[in-house]
Amino acid sequence: EAGVAQSPRYKIIEKRQSVAFWCNPISGHATLYWYQQILGQGPKLLIQFQNNGVVDDSQLPKDRFSAERLKGVDSTLKIQPAKLEDSAVYLCASSTGNEQYFGPGTRLTVT
Amino acid sequence: EDQVTQSPEALRLQEGESSSLNCSYTVSGLRGLFWYRQDPGKGPEFLFTLYSAGEEKEKERLKATLTKKESFLHITAPKPEDSATYLCAVGGYSTLTFGKGTMLLVSP
Repeated sequence: EAGVAQSPRYKIIEKRQSVAFWCNPISGHATLYWYQQILGQGPKLLIQFQNNGVVDDSQLPKDRFSAERLKGVDSTLKIQPAKLEDSAVYLCASSTGNEQYFGPGTRLTVT
Repeated sequence: EDQVTQSPEALRLQEGESSSLNCSYTVSGLRGLFWYRQDPGKGPEFLFTLYSAGEEKEKERLKATLTKKESFLHITAPKPEDSATYLCAVGGYSTLTFGKGTMLLVSP
């Protein structure tokens, strides 16, 4: 069974630029999550989708971050404009029940 | 607000030297206590879910236990390939809250 796929794996941008990340969850997983993991910290949830709908986006900085999940499968997370403090690994996870399965992440560096 | 505290922050062991990692938590309605392993440059890898106090689960050299306030990840006779960061997370009524992790280094 294929795992969670993410791209790109690495991205370097300048502050005030925009960036987008893509995630393809495990087939059949209705729930999809985006996390931000800053170096030395545990993952912090940004947004949770159940099929096409948003379940929880309470920690998503909505002035600069946006996310969508097309047709209940793939998802994109966008940052516009980026700030230095957005430098982190962005992890996508999916689940059918309690256990979440993570992708390899996208390492974003904002200079 | 759900909270998770892991200790120690880092642990260095010799191969074969058994030890335990601690995860203390406060949560409104525990839906599950989760352990993950994270290797450098990779996403967290699911290890265990524990649901109720007294529950134990094992996988190879790892055993996870749960009480009402904390969980332990026991590592028996570790090998260098067990070196990783071990993350603990709790699921409450909403989503997962992670601790900062324990970085384990096992030397040959």
